[in-house]
Amino acid sequence: GESVGLHLPTLSVQEGDNSIINCAYSNSASDYFIWYKQESGKGPQFIIDIRSNMDKRQGQRVTVLLNKTVKHLSLQIAATQPGDSAVYFCAEKLISSASKIIFGSGTRLSIRP
Amino acid sequence: DADVTQTPRNRITKTGKRIMLECSQTKGHDRMYWYRQDPGLGLRLIYYSFDVKDINKGEISDGYSVSRQAQAKFSLSLESAIPNQTALYFCATSDSRTVAGELFFGEGSRLTVL
Repeated sequence: GESVGLHLPTLSVQEGDNSIINCAYSNSASDYFIWYKQESGKGPQFIIDIRSNMDKRQGQRVTVLLNKTVKHLSLQIAATQPGDSAVYFCAEKLISSASKIIFGSGTRLSIRP
Repeated sequence: DADVTQTPRNRITKTGKRIMLECSQTKGHDRMYWYRQDPGLGLRLIYYSFDVKDINKGEISDGYSVSRQAQAKFSLSLESAIPNQTALYFCATSDSRTVAGELFFGEGSRLTVL
């Protein structure tokens, strides 16, 4: 069956360092992999996505890497700032399955001053 | 003003009561969704609608029903609430014209069933 999970439930990073949040997935047929950020008291917000035929995609201060060989997805945040504190969810989307988006359980990122 | 608005934001009710959570959007998106969030379980899809005449069950639809009254409105009902429906509920929208289909979420409705 489909599942999207995360290696670690919590991650603590020194302010200014880079953060790496990892995610494992099981459905190799997924078309898109997506990262969402959820700040306390708010709904999730889209950060970046990557199509399944790509290995890497960069955004502003964020990079997503996709390793289809080991079914692994990661989100790298450069120069982590206090405003990056949030729960991060990876998600996958299979267009042939009515484009439903399946979410993982989330990783909480905390920033040490 | 928020693009995706949920009401109420917080609700406490008793077992057996009927509850309706409402969602309205100003984004002009055709697709709308209801998700449930529980600690440690991420977001799970309850129901989704791709247009006004389209309703589809998600992963956990038992005990819930929905109504898509207009393109901009999608409501979630609990006909007879039970304590294990205590959760944070999110409405989301997306635009079918975008391939990736980014979801835009409301700020959530926290429901407590006693």
